[in-house]
Amino acid sequence: AQSVSQHNHHVILSEAASLELGCNYSYGGTVNLFWYVQYPGQHLQLLLKYFSGDPLVKGIKGFEAEFIKSKFSFNLRKPSVQWSDTAEYFCAVKSGANNLFFGTGTRLTVIP
Amino acid sequence: EAQVTQNPRYLITVTGKKLTVTCSQNMNHEYMSWYRQDPGLGLRQIYYSMNVEVTDKGDVPEGYKVSRKEKRNFPLILESPSPNQTSLYFCASSLSTGPSYEQYFGPGTRLTVT
Repeated sequence: AQSVSQHNHHVILSEAASLELGCNYSYGGTVNLFWYVQYPGQHLQLLLKYFSGDPLVKGIKGFEAEFIKSKFSFNLRKPSVQWSDTAEYFCAVKSGANNLFFGTGTRLTVIP
Repeated sequence: EAQVTQNPRYLITVTGKKLTVTCSQNMNHEYMSWYRQDPGLGLRQIYYSMNVEVTDKGDVPEGYKVSRKEKRNFPLILESPSPNQTSLYFCASSLSTGPSYEQYFGPGTRLTVT
């Protein structure tokens, strides 16, 4: 069965610090990878996605993620976080079928 | 505006009282899905539908029912709610059923069963 692991449950950073959130998945075939963000009290919004091609994917709001196939990873990065990035971040995987498998989420708190 | 809507947004009910949470999308999407979100567990899929009259179980279907009589609507039915169904529920839709299609999420319904 597929699984998605997000090892950081809660990350606390000061503004301007760099961010990297880990995501690992278990599936050997072709995958499509997503990062979603959920701001407090809001629904999930797509940050970025990877389907094929360049493994370094750029998304909205300065976020990027790198797909490393050999490590089954799709880590999310941002060079300099802002207070407004405080949110919960979910990694998700889709593999051939229609259904998204989500990680358990990482809560990011950015201190001004 | 393209969107997924859910109603109600908040609901407090008692054990055993049947309820329905509606989901509607105005994007002519084929695929629709229900998730529940619980702390520490992320989002888990309850049911999904690949088109009208085509539904299937997700990872946690017990205690839920769905129907897809029209393309735009995908209600979630709890015939006899129990406290362990207290959760935050999200409906989502995507244009088609291929793996590369992005899912769009509704605003969520926070359900409390006492």
